[in-house]
Amino acid sequence: NAGVTQTPKFQVLKTGQSMTLQCAQDMNHEYMSWYRQDPGMGLRLIHYSVGAGITDQGEVPNGYNVSRSTTEDFPLRLLSAAPSQTSVYFCASSPDGQVYGYTFGSGTRLTVV
Amino acid sequence: GQQLNQSPQSMFIQEGEDVSMNCTSSSIFNTWLWYKQDPGEGPVLLIALYKAGELTSNGRLTAQFGITRKDSFLNISASIPSDVGIYFCAGLTTDSWGKFQFGAGTQVVVTP
Repeated sequence: NAGVTQTPKFQVLKTGQSMTLQCAQDMNHEYMSWYRQDPGMGLRLIHYSVGAGITDQGEVPNGYNVSRSTTEDFPLRLLSAAPSQTSVYFCASSPDGQVYGYTFGSGTRLTVV
Repeated sequence: GQQLNQSPQSMFIQEGEDVSMNCTSSSIFNTWLWYKQDPGEGPVLLIALYKAGELTSNGRLTAQFGITRKDSFLNISASIPSDVGIYFCAGLTTDSWGKFQFGAGTQVVVTP
């Protein structure tokens, strides 16, 4: 039982490049979310999903796209990377979005130069 | 924008001391969670609270759901070196199911 798996762990991008951060969970959780963590800012919600085929925007969605074609996977796409997107990105999943909270992956550290 | 205010921002304490931190909000929450993050890792859930006034313990950790439903508190008793890390509060309002808001975190440093 791997929990929430994020790949890659580290990535350096040039401004304007695009890429996809991968997230997979093996707990059959319906809810999945993407957060970014910046110093002094805590965790800010980018996008979330309440089930396969359903996604919605969070607090800071600009510059990011998501899709949820299966229960297990919730990839985050950076369309055209900018230095302001340098951050640590966390994927998380939850069975119900409330009672059990979210289980987090170990993060992807992204640097945009 | 972020509605949760978490304080203090950082704490430097000696081993054996008790630690207290809190989160306040302008909104009414129906769920409060407390997480701990070790360096290079994702946050791990410590305690979950669901009712106003609720007091819940997990070993040396105790958390309370404030009576007004706009705040929560976390206490760590008799701190040990492995308590080092960043502690986050997270809250869920009644109209934002699944969309937890996080505080900015409290950095705890324990010195022997």
